[in-house]
Amino acid sequence: GNSVTQMEGPVTLSEEAFLTINCTYTATGYPSLFWYVQYPGEGLQLLLKATKADDKGSNKGFEATYRKETTSFHLEKGSVQVSDSAVYFCALSPISSGSARQLTFGSGTQLTVLP
Amino acid sequence: DTGVSQDPRHKITKRGQNVTFRCDPISEHNRLYWYRQTLGQGPEFLTYFQNEAQLEKSRLLSDRFSAERPKGSFSTLEIQRTEQGDSAMYLCASIPEGLLNTEAFFGQGTRLTVV
Repeated sequence: GNSVTQMEGPVTLSEEAFLTINCTYTATGYPSLFWYVQYPGEGLQLLLKATKADDKGSNKGFEATYRKETTSFHLEKGSVQVSDSAVYFCALSPISSGSARQLTFGSGTQLTVLP
Repeated sequence: DTGVSQDPRHKITKRGQNVTFRCDPISEHNRLYWYRQTLGQGPEFLTYFQNEAQLEKSRLLSDRFSAERPKGSFSTLEIQRTEQGDSAMYLCASIPEGLLNTEAFFGQGTRLTVV
C-alpha cells in the first residue's frame, strides 16, 4: 500500500535559519505529492504540490522537488519566519482514474521558529 | 465564506452516546472525503463520496460509523455508541471533478472528545 514517512519533530529554528523537512514515500506508479500546513487553530491548507517526476512545487518561499529516483519530496525554505511556525504534513495521492485517490499523509512535523 | 465548513467545531459526548457531524463542501465540488486525525498523527482516510455515491470505505470505518451524502451536496458522519478511542479530529475535504484536479480543500474539522 501507499505510505509516507517524514522527519519527526519537533523542529525549532531561529528566524532566518534554513529549513529542511525530509519526506519519503512508497507508492505504486507515479503519485502526486503535496505539502500541507496546519497553523494553530486552523484547518489543513495546501502549501505546494508536484504531479510528476522532477517537478518543483513552490509557494511562500517554500520549495520541494519530486525525486522519483529517491522517492523523496523534501521541503525547504531558505529563511524561515516566526509566522512559519506550524505543523507540516507531507502527503501523496495516486493518479489512477476510477479510484478515490485519497490522500495518504505522513505523521507531521511541528516547526517552531523563534525570534 | 465559500470554503468547506464543518459543524460543530467541538463536541463532547459521553461514552455510548451517538454523535453526528456535518460537512458542507465547496458547492461545485463533487468529490468529498472524510478523514480522522488523532493527536500527533496525520489524517487517515475514512470514506469517499462521488456525488451521492459512497465509493470507498476504509477499514478504519467500523460498523458503528456511517456516512451519507443524500443529495450530493452536504455530508453527515454518524458515530453510534461512541467509545473513548473515537476521540479525534474529524476532517472533511472536497475536490472538484477531473483527473488533473488534485488539491483537496479541507474544513477546520470537528474535534470529538468522548468522556
